[in-house]
Amino acid sequence: AQSVTQPDIHITVSEGASLELRCNYSYGATPYLFWYVQSPGQGLQLLLKYFSGDTLVQGIKGFEAEFKRSQSSFNLRKPSVHWSDAAEYFCAVGKGTNAGKSTFGDGTTLTVKP
Amino acid sequence: DTEVTQTPKHLVMGMTNKKSLKCEQHMGHRAMYWYKQKAKKPPELMFVYSYEKLSINESVPSRFSPECPNSSLLNLHLHALQPEDSALYLCASSQDLGGGGFQETQYFGPGTRLLVL
Repeated sequence: AQSVTQPDIHITVSEGASLELRCNYSYGATPYLFWYVQSPGQGLQLLLKYFSGDTLVQGIKGFEAEFKRSQSSFNLRKPSVHWSDAAEYFCAVGKGTNAGKSTFGDGTTLTVKP
Repeated sequence: DTEVTQTPKHLVMGMTNKKSLKCEQHMGHRAMYWYKQKAKKPPELMFVYSYEKLSINESVPSRFSPECPNSSLLNLHLHALQPEDSALYLCASSQDLGGGGFQETQYFGPGTRLLVL
């Protein structure tokens, strides 16, 4: 069965600093990988996804993520964080076929200091 | 249009009430999902519909009854809920390729925040 681990429950960064959120997955085949962001009281918004091809994926809001098969990781990065990036971030992995059952990590809460 | 809408935004109900949550999408997606999310937790899958047929039921109690009247609408009927059912209920949709396969990019609605008293 697939699983996702987000090792950092809470991260605090200063506005303008760089950001990296970690995601490790466990899945036997090539996974479908997603990063979502959720602002308080809101639904989930897809930031980016990886299915195949270039392992560096560009997303919305200036985010990018890199798929590293050797490390079973799909870390999310942003070079300069804005106060509006404060939110909950979820990494998810899907199976690609006969699925509809993406597995979500427990999330990382991002706080941005002024 | 990549929007999934959900109504109502907030709902307060007693344990003997019957209420319904509504979800709508006009992206032509043929897979629709209900999730339950407790505070500071990831979404938990409840139901998946594919081509208006129930495809996945994650052993959800019968006090939750989903319905997919057409390809754009998804309802969740609520009856005799418990206080522990209070949560954010999220709807999502994705393109469905049929034949058991799913195009897995899910688009989420803003959710309905439910409080059961």
